[in-house]
Amino acid sequence: KQEVTQIPAALSVPEGENLVLNCSFTDSAIYNLQWFRQDPGKGLTSLLLIQSSQREQTSGRLNASLDKSSGRSTLYIAASQPGDSATYLCAVWGGTSYGKLTFGQGTILTVHP
Amino acid sequence: DADVTQTPRNRITKTGKRIMLECSQTKGHDRMYWYRQDPGLGLRLIYYSFDVKDINKGEISDGYSVSRQAQAKFSLSLESAIPNQTALYFCATSDGTSGDNEQFFGPGTRLTVL
Repeated sequence: KQEVTQIPAALSVPEGENLVLNCSFTDSAIYNLQWFRQDPGKGLTSLLLIQSSQREQTSGRLNASLDKSSGRSTLYIAASQPGDSATYLCAVWGGTSYGKLTFGQGTILTVHP
Repeated sequence: DADVTQTPRNRITKTGKRIMLECSQTKGHDRMYWYRQDPGLGLRLIYYSFDVKDINKGEISDGYSVSRQAQAKFSLSLESAIPNQTALYFCATSDGTSGDNEQFFGPGTRLTVL
């Protein structure tokens, strides 16, 4: 059974810092990995999707990397802003859990001015 | 307009009542999903459908049923609601023909069962 773990569970940083969120998964036979953002009580917004054949994806100040063989992904946020405060979720598609995304528990990020 | 819409956005009901949550999408996607989110448990898949005639159980389907009325509509029913079905429910869609299967989520329905 695929399991996804995100570290740290919570992170508080001052504005302007660069930061890294970590995601690991137990079954490396995935088709893709998706990073989401969730604001309190709201839906999920897709940030980046990395195909299993790719190593990284970039969107603005966000960069996500994937090391499929070691079962790890990182989300790098450059020059953090208070508006980046949210919960960040990592999810994998495929492997022994075909047909569904398996989600991590999320990292709660707070960026203070 | 939102690409994935859910109705109602909030619902309070009593134990034993039948409840239907509805999801509509204008993205033209063939695949649709229902998830629930609970504090400490994360998001878990209830049902998914890869096309109108395809319905599959997820990891927590007991107590739920679904109907795919059209490509754009996917409804979730709680036949007899119980308090532990209190949760935030999300509908999602993806394009199975795109190759990447990126999933897009609706705004959620907050359901409280008293």
